[in-house]
Amino acid sequence: GESVGLHLPTLSVQEGDNSIINCAYSNSASDYFIWYKQESGKGPQFIIDIRSNMDKRQGQRVTVLLNKTVKHLSLQIAATQPGDSAVYFCAEGGSGGFKTIFGAGTRLFVKA
Amino acid sequence: EAQVTQNPRYLITVTGKKLTVTCSQNMNHEYMSWYRQDPGLGLRQIYYSMNVEVTDKGDVPEGYKVSRKEKRNFPLILESPSPNQTSLYFCASSLPGPGTDTQYFGPGTRLTVL
Repeated sequence: GESVGLHLPTLSVQEGDNSIINCAYSNSASDYFIWYKQESGKGPQFIIDIRSNMDKRQGQRVTVLLNKTVKHLSLQIAATQPGDSAVYFCAEGGSGGFKTIFGAGTRLFVKA
Repeated sequence: EAQVTQNPRYLITVTGKKLTVTCSQNMNHEYMSWYRQDPGLGLRQIYYSMNVEVTDKGDVPEGYKVSRKEKRNFPLILESPSPNQTSLYFCASSLPGPGTDTQYFGPGTRLTVL
């Protein structure tokens, strides 16, 4: 069945370094992917999205890469800051339906 | 300010006592959805609504009901809560659908069922 999974539950990086958070999905028909950031005590917040007709999309300090061949996407955060500490979720939407499937999340720790 | 609001934010109740968690959005979004978040499981979709009077089951609908009588409101109803419904609940809304647009999430409702 459909699933969206993450390779690592936690990631620890030094402040100023780049962070890479990975995500795998199983539904090859998925056509829309989103990364959300969830800070403690808050709801998920949109970071960046990408559609299946793209391989890469850049935002402010963030880049999402999509590899449809291996059904994998990643979130890259440049010059990671303490404020980036949070749980990051990848989510899958589309596929002709209106459900959203979330991965289990990766907790990012930023060391000062 | 564009936002999704939920009430209450915290609730402790007992098994079998009916409760309703309200959700309201002021962005004129057609799509609204409820999720529950449990440790290690991420967010799982309970119910969603594509527009007024149109609702559909998500992945974990058992024990829950919803209604969409107005565009801005999407209450979540637990007719007979049980301890396994202790969780953190999020309401979200978006334009036509999550497959085409990002969802905006409320602040969450932490429910404990004793």
